Amino acid sequence: DTGVSQNPRHKITKRGQNVTFRCDPISEHNRLYWYRQTLGQGPEFLTYFQNEAQLEKSRLLSDRFSAERPKGSFSTLEIQRTEQGDSAMYLCASSLVTGGSEAFFGQGTRLTVV
Amino acid sequence: RKEVEQDPGPFNVPEGATVAFNCTYSNSASQSFFWYRQDCRKEPKLLMSVYSSGNEDGRFTAQLNRASQYISLLIRDSKLSDSATYLCVVNQRGGGADGLTFGKGTHLIIQP
Repeated sequence: DTGVSQNPRHKITKRGQNVTFRCDPISEHNRLYWYRQTLGQGPEFLTYFQNEAQLEKSRLLSDRFSAERPKGSFSTLEIQRTEQGDSAMYLCASSLVTGGSEAFFGQGTRLTVV
Repeated sequence: RKEVEQDPGPFNVPEGATVAFNCTYSNSASQSFFWYRQDCRKEPKLLMSVYSSGNEDGRFTAQLNRASQYISLLIRDSKLSDSATYLCVVNQRGGGADGLTFGKGTHLIIQP
C-alpha cells in the first residue's frame, strides 16, 4: 500500500494522559499536513511541514500539541495532558509542493478522551 | 462570516435524479477550488478540481463563479454509491495544499 498511513487507527485515553500519533506520507511527497475533524465538521488545519521544516501552525494548536517530522519522512503528533475536547479524528495528508494542491489523506486516528 | 459555507443537508434524492449543491467562500483572493468526497468514517478523497471555465468528469460537473464567490457541484443520473458527504475546499494561496480550507460538508443520501 503506497498511500498515507496513520497509526494507531483508534486510541482511547484517560484525561490528563499524553498520546502520540504517527503518520507515514506517500514516499515522494515533501509536504505533510495534520488536520483535526470533529463530528459534523469539515477537517480543520493544524500544522504542516515541508520536508523537516514546520512552516505553519494553526491557532487551534495549543501549547499542549506538538508535531515533528525529524527526517522529512514520517511525522508524529503528540498531545500532552489530554482533555475531553481533544476527542476527534486526527487526519494526516501529504502532497507535492508542485503539481497542484491535491492532498492525499490517511484514514485518520480516532482519539477518544474519557 | 465563515470562510467556506455549505448547506449541510441532508439532501435526500431518488436514484437517477440530478442533484446540485453550492458552496460560498469569503476570501476573494482564493486561488483554487476543489470538491472532496468523504464517506462515513473514512478519509476525504479528491473528487475533482474546479476550474474557472467549469469542468466535467463523467456524471459530475463543477462550476466556479468568482464574481459571486461560489462554486457548485452537479451530479447527474445519481447512483446509490454517490451517497456521501461532499466537502467544498478552497485554497487561499495557490500552489501547494497548505492553504486548504474545508467547508463542513453537504450530506447526500441517494434513495433507491
